[in-house]
This record gives sequence, structure tokens and C-alpha cells, in this order.
Amino acid sequence: GAVVSQHPSRVICKSGTSVKIECRSLDFQATTMFWYRQFPKKSLMLMATSNEGSKATYEQGVEKDKFLINHASLTLSTLTVTSAHPEDSSFYICSAREGANYEQYFGPGTRLTVT
Amino acid sequence: AQSVAQPEDQVNVAEGNPLTVKCTYSVSGNPYLFWYVQYPNRGLQFLLKYITGDNLVKGSYGFEAEFNKSQTSFHLKKPSALVSDSALYFCAVRDTGGQNFVFGPGTRLSVLP
Repeated sequence: GAVVSQHPSRVICKSGTSVKIECRSLDFQATTMFWYRQFPKKSLMLMATSNEGSKATYEQGVEKDKFLINHASLTLSTLTVTSAHPEDSSFYICSAREGANYEQYFGPGTRLTVT
Repeated sequence: AQSVAQPEDQVNVAEGNPLTVKCTYSVSGNPYLFWYVQYPNRGLQFLLKYITGDNLVKGSYGFEAEFNKSQTSFHLKKPSALVSDSALYFCAVRDTGGQNFVFGPGTRLSVLP
């Protein structure tokens, strides 16, 4: 089946620094990618949707200048958390879809801890 | 607007007994329905989906789910639970015109030995 990878799986950074998370589709072309945030023992919250070559569409309440999303190719999307603060600590999960396919394939997630 | 409800935060079942994790949904058109499982500090693993056709869908690891249009439900079931089934389970829906999934709040399943 389709595989989505994320890197890194865990990252610890200091408050005020920026951190980049990569999401790659390994064996298909991800025309649409999604970024989710998951709080402990909570469901997934969609942060933004991006189509390859276009600007991301952010959900209400998500700061686009803080969570920078780039979907420059059909196999790679990046999420950059800028000027991270402890409240940004969370589990970030990406998913990808090929064309109008109704399935989404999920990455393994990235645990971000901001100290 | 799409929405998904999982009425139980926690389900406990003894190993070997049948299990059910409930899900109800609301969409404006025809639903695409999915179940995912999440183990600690892991991403979501796909279990099964309903797109069209038979209402009873069989998926991975012996799980199945039944689409019930009149009750707008898509409950996840397994005839005989294993301790290794203990995890967090998410139901998700996407309507035919929708761009993305809407996830339920999740149900934590604990299978007791």
C-alpha cells in the first residue's frame, strides 16, 4: 500500500527557535497533503490542506505565519513551526492523497517538544 | 457540515469476547467512512473503509464494520478480542464533495487478559 514518511519522528527544540518537519509520499504522487495536530488523548485537528504548487489553506484559528507549510513537489510537504513556544508541543501528523482518491494515507507522526 | 460521534470514550472487554466500538456520522451527501487505529506515539493505521456496495465491510486484523444508512452508523466489530487490540480507535467520514476527513473524538479500547 501507499506509504507516507515523516522526519523527524521526535524533535526537541528551545523556545524561540524554528523547527521543520518533513512529510514524504514514498510510492505515489501526493497532489494533496494535510497536516494535523493531536493533543494528548485527543482527536486529530486539521491544521491546513495544501495542494502541490499552491498556497496552503489553513483552518480557522491556525496561524499561517507561525505554521508555514510548503508543498513544493508531488512527494514532499514541509511544516515549519516558527518561533516555537512550549504550547506548540504536540504530536503532528501528516497525510497525503493522490488526485481525487477518497483515501488518505497517514504518516507516523512527529512528536515536538519545545522547552 | 460533516460530523462524527463516538459516544464512548473508553471500551473495556475481556480477551476472547466480541468487541464493538460505536460510530455515528452526519454528512450532507453520501458518506465515505473509515476506521483507523492508533498505537501510542504512532500515526494512524488504516483498518477498513466503506465507499459503496456491501454494507458489511471486512478489514485488517479481523475487524469488520457495518454501514447502516438509516441509523447513520458505522460500528466497528471484532468477534474475538486480543490484548494486542488495545489502542485508540478513530472513525472518520468524508462526503463525496468534501476535501478532507472529519475525525471522531476517538475511543480507547482496552482488552483485558
